[in-house]
Amino acid sequence: DVKVTQSSRYLVKRTGEKVFLECVQDMDHENMFWYRQDPGLGLRLIYFSYDVKMKEKGDIPEGYSVSREKKERFSLILESASTNQTSMYLCASSLPLYSNQPQHFGDGTRLSIL
Amino acid sequence: GQNIDQPTEMTATEGAIVQINCTYQTSGFNGLFWYQQHAGEAPTFLSYNVLDGLEEKGRFSSFLSRSKGYSYLLLKELQMKDSASYLCAVRSQTGANNLFFGTGTRLTVIP
Repeated sequence: DVKVTQSSRYLVKRTGEKVFLECVQDMDHENMFWYRQDPGLGLRLIYFSYDVKMKEKGDIPEGYSVSREKKERFSLILESASTNQTSMYLCASSLPLYSNQPQHFGDGTRLSIL
Repeated sequence: GQNIDQPTEMTATEGAIVQINCTYQTSGFNGLFWYQQHAGEAPTFLSYNVLDGLEEKGRFSSFLSRSKGYSYLLLKELQMKDSASYLCAVRSQTGANNLFFGTGTRLTVIP
């Protein structure tokens, strides 16, 4: 079974802090994704990566950056956390484009910015 | 752009059948996925459709009509554990296997 592991289930940070969310997958997947999930808005893509050191902006990249130094690890960085970044953050991984294989999700990190 | 619509909430009785609809508008359609998400947990993959027709997987089936931009998820012999949110997601040919998600349908199964 694919395993996507997010470093924290719950995290509380203060406004202005730099926040790191870590995600590791064990299936040698090329693609990795970061989403946030908010009530009434569904999952929205923040950033994705299709290879080591490669990254692409999703629908809502403002205020975030990412890092992928190794294939199995994809980090989401909140450069200066703000209260509107309080949300559930979900990491996912998948095989490449034109595959009918689904994205596999981690359990999520519920982040609160005070 | 992408637009995906599904009902916000549904209620059904244990043992019954329920159909959750999803309509979409997208450029470069390249498949539709259904995920199940229990409260506080990760979404888990249920089904995938890329051609028109019905895909059956045990108690769950999913249907796709590309010409109508329409899909449904059919859950038979409902069980209490089926109470969850069901997410419809459309894959676009742009980007790297990108999915665009609907807001989800929260299904409550009652005795």
